[in-house]
Amino acid sequence: GAGVSQTPSNKVTEKGKYVELRCDPISGHTALYWYRQSLGQGPEFLIYFQGTGAADDSGLPNDRFFAVRPEGSVSTLKIQRTERGDSAVYLCASSFGGSKNEQFFGPGTRLTVL
Amino acid sequence: AQKITQTQPGMFVQEKEAVTLDCTYDTSDPSYGLFWYKQPSSGEMIFLIYQGSYDQQNATEGRYSLNFQKARKSANLVISASQLGDSAMYFCAMREGQGGGSQGNLIFGKGTKLSVKP
Repeated sequence: GAGVSQTPSNKVTEKGKYVELRCDPISGHTALYWYRQSLGQGPEFLIYFQGTGAADDSGLPNDRFFAVRPEGSVSTLKIQRTERGDSAVYLCASSFGGSKNEQFFGPGTRLTVL
Repeated sequence: AQKITQTQPGMFVQEKEAVTLDCTYDTSDPSYGLFWYKQPSSGEMIFLIYQGSYDQQNATEGRYSLNFQKARKSANLVISASQLGDSAMYFCAMREGQGGGSQGNLIFGKGTKLSVKP
C-alpha cells in the first residue's frame, strides 16, 4: 500500500514569507506527527494529532508555527514570517496503534529560507 | 538532560561482520518503548525494531537484535552479517508510556553514521 507522502519535496522561500507543507498519512492511520530535523541532528517533535485534534503541540517552537488536520487525514504545517533558522527537513509520520505503535515516516520536505 | 544518548557519531564495519550501535536513555516513567530507525541518504526514516520496557526478552527482527539492559538503561542495536546496504544513519528513539493506547511522540538521539566497508 501507499506510504506517507509529503509535498513539496523541496521548498525554497525568502525570509518573511509564509509557507505550507502538506502530509498525506497512510490510509486508516489515526495518529499523525510532525518532526523537524536539522542538519546532523535527530528529528525533533513538533506536534501530533489524534484524529482531527492536536493532542500535543508542545514541540512547536513559537506562534509562527501552526498545523491543522481538518478531516482527520491530510495535515498541513503552516509557518508564518519564515526565518533563516527555520531551514530544516520537516518530517511527517503516522501510526495506527497497537502495542508497538511504530511510526511510519514520509520522505520529508526540505525547507530552505534565504 | 538528554533523554537519548548515542555516543558514537560514526562507526565502520567490515562487510559480513556484526556491529553494535550504542544507545542509553533516561526516563522516570516505568512504561516506555524503545525504537531504532535507519535513515539512508535518501532521507526517509525506516523502522527497524521495537523493545517495550516490560518485555522479558530482547527483541529480534531478522538481522537486527536489540540488547536491552534495563538496569543500565541501555538499548544497543546489533546488526549481524553487515551488508553494504546497511550504510546509513541509525537513530535510537524513546516513547514514554507504552501499550495500545499510547500514541505519544518519539524522542530521538543524535544518531550514529554506519559505514560498511567491502
